[in-house]
Amino acid sequence: KNQVEQSPQSLIILEGKNCTLQCNYTVSPFSNLRWYKQDTGRGPVSLTIMTFSENTKSNGRYTATLDADTKQSSLHITASQLSDSASYICVVWGGSYIPTFGRGTSLIVHP
Amino acid sequence: DTEVTQTPKHLVMGMTNKKSLKCEQHMGHRAMYWYKQKAKKPPELMFVYSYEKLSINESVPSRFSPECPNSSLLNLHLHALQPEDSALYLCASSLTPGGDTKNIQYFGAGTRLSVL
Repeated sequence: KNQVEQSPQSLIILEGKNCTLQCNYTVSPFSNLRWYKQDTGRGPVSLTIMTFSENTKSNGRYTATLDADTKQSSLHITASQLSDSASYICVVWGGSYIPTFGRGTSLIVHP
Repeated sequence: DTEVTQTPKHLVMGMTNKKSLKCEQHMGHRAMYWYKQKAKKPPELMFVYSYEKLSINESVPSRFSPECPNSSLLNLHLHALQPEDSALYLCASSLTPGGDTKNIQYFGAGTRLSVL
């Protein structure tokens, strides 16, 4: 069964600090992995898309890494801002038209 | 314009009511999706429309009835819902169906539905 596990479930950090969110997956075959940011009460917004041949992809202060061998990805947020407070969802696409969503990591950035 | 517009933003309905959710995009996307999201859970796929035809129905109860009148519009008709159907309903669209890396899914802000 295809699964995407994210950790931690929630995270609280101080403004200006860095943090790393984790995503492990067991989706086969693998096509690509996406990180989304979802503000409360809003739809998810795409941050990065990575295929198995890409190790790192950046989008501003967000940097995603992918290790296709160990089936792990991480999302690193640098110099966090209050606006980074949101849920971060890892989504893996395989060979079908149906993506597999992780449960998300809820990030709270305190001033 | 990368916007997916959903109306209404909020909806409260009784279990005997009939209501509809509306989704609109003008990006020329030929795939449109309905997702249901409960609090603190990830979105769950409900339906996929591909070129205005229903291509995926994830075993959704018949009290939810999707409709795609044209390539820009997607409706979700609701009838005889249960309180457990209360959730955030998200619409999304992409250029074509599937997870090709060029296919970015754009999500609407959602409709917050409460069933009393």
